[in-house]
Amino acid sequence: DAGVTQSPTHLIKTRGQQVTLRCSPKSGHDTVSWYQQALGQGPQFIFQYYEEEERQRGNFPDRFSGHQFPNYSSELNVNALLLGDSALYLCASSLPDSGNTIYFGEGSWLTVV
Amino acid sequence: AQSVTQLGSHVSVSEGALVLLRCNYSSSVPPYLFWYVQYPNQGLQLLLKYTSAATLVKGINGFEAEFKKSETSFHLTKPSAHMSDAAEYFCAVSDLKAAGNKLTFGGGTRVLVKP
Repeated sequence: DAGVTQSPTHLIKTRGQQVTLRCSPKSGHDTVSWYQQALGQGPQFIFQYYEEEERQRGNFPDRFSGHQFPNYSSELNVNALLLGDSALYLCASSLPDSGNTIYFGEGSWLTVV
Repeated sequence: AQSVTQLGSHVSVSEGALVLLRCNYSSSVPPYLFWYVQYPNQGLQLLLKYTSAATLVKGINGFEAEFKKSETSFHLTKPSAHMSDAAEYFCAVSDLKAAGNKLTFGGGTRVLVKP
């Protein structure tokens, strides 16, 4: 059973560019969340998708947007990249209700130069 | 709003010694509580979780944690550290009554194991 898979693993972008990160959830999971983990910090919740709709959103600007597809996979898009967007972006999947185990992918390392 | 505080950003223990990582939470409603481990250049792996059943929770790799409501704590322990326990550990809280499944993390504690 494949776990949560993310792509790409590493990428480097220039300030002002746009980036798209991709995630396939664990088999049977219909809820996908994205987290940003800056170096030396704990992960911060960006947003969550369920039934192709954004259900919750953390304190992130509108430059961060996402999408969930009918097969439950998801994309995270970040526009107008800033140096401060450099971080590990983690995708997590679960069943929708609070308390269900959340499984994380290996992450996508984004460096903005 | 929920929050999690992990006391000590770095902990150094000798191999075979007790590992104790401290976590205190703030939540206006009964919480679900989690401990995750992150090895270098990897994602997060669940160690254990508390979801309002037994207050002493046993997890993988010999770790356990005790939920103490009166102290709003969920400290993680392991009786005997192994070199493979060197990693970063994160405590997280989820709102029992909120729609959706969202985690609020502490800042993490990096564990160094000395031979």
